[in-house]
Amino acid sequence: QKEVEQNSGPLSVPEGAIASLNCTYSDRGSQSFFWYRQYSGKSPELIMFIYSNGDKEDGRFTAQLNKASQYVSLLIRDSQPSDSATYLCAVNKGGNTPLVFGKGTRLSVIA
Amino acid sequence: ETGVTQSPTHLIKTRGQQVTLRCSSQSGHNTVSWYQQALGQGPQFIFQYYREEENGRGNFPPRFSGLQFPNYSSELNVNALELDDSALYLCASSRGALGGEQYFGPGTRLTVT
Repeated sequence: QKEVEQNSGPLSVPEGAIASLNCTYSDRGSQSFFWYRQYSGKSPELIMFIYSNGDKEDGRFTAQLNKASQYVSLLIRDSQPSDSATYLCAVNKGGNTPLVFGKGTRLSVIA
Repeated sequence: ETGVTQSPTHLIKTRGQQVTLRCSSQSGHNTVSWYQQALGQGPQFIFQYYREEENGRGNFPPRFSGLQFPNYSSELNVNALELDDSALYLCASSRGALGGEQYFGPGTRLTVT
């Protein structure tokens, strides 16, 4: 079992819809959870992080964490074509510990 | 823009050669982590430097080595390059014990022929 798993996609959603991206992790010692967006040929950009169970909202983005189910998700409301990118889920054991990444989910928002 | 810079942007090397990649961390950040990202994969942790000391290492051979300088900038050195070393090399800076959020630089694309 891989440490961090994501559906590779592509996930296609129409413009204006809600995109739902999911991630599961295997290490119950994981404490911190991150979502990065990576455009083709570019480096990952941190868009959300969450440390506690529940929801965290920032603009059109909502991160959801359920440690009991070892599950973290990212919702993108009112999806725009500019949201088309690969979304990487990453986890670590808190503080300075290294990030463990999934392979990413490719999102395509269709105008 | 994260304030993390990397050089060079692109590099082409021949198998067996050595390469040095450079990274300047964001102002106020004392920790630099290096990752390797192969095509279609998520980044893989190489090692981390905190206050000029190696502070953790991933599953990479000793020919991958690094340094961190007093201004918290960092170098990644790779000796005896192999074809499989072709990848995007990413540097991420963070505030160390004060916060785990890591911010990436633009990366260096290394091609080994």
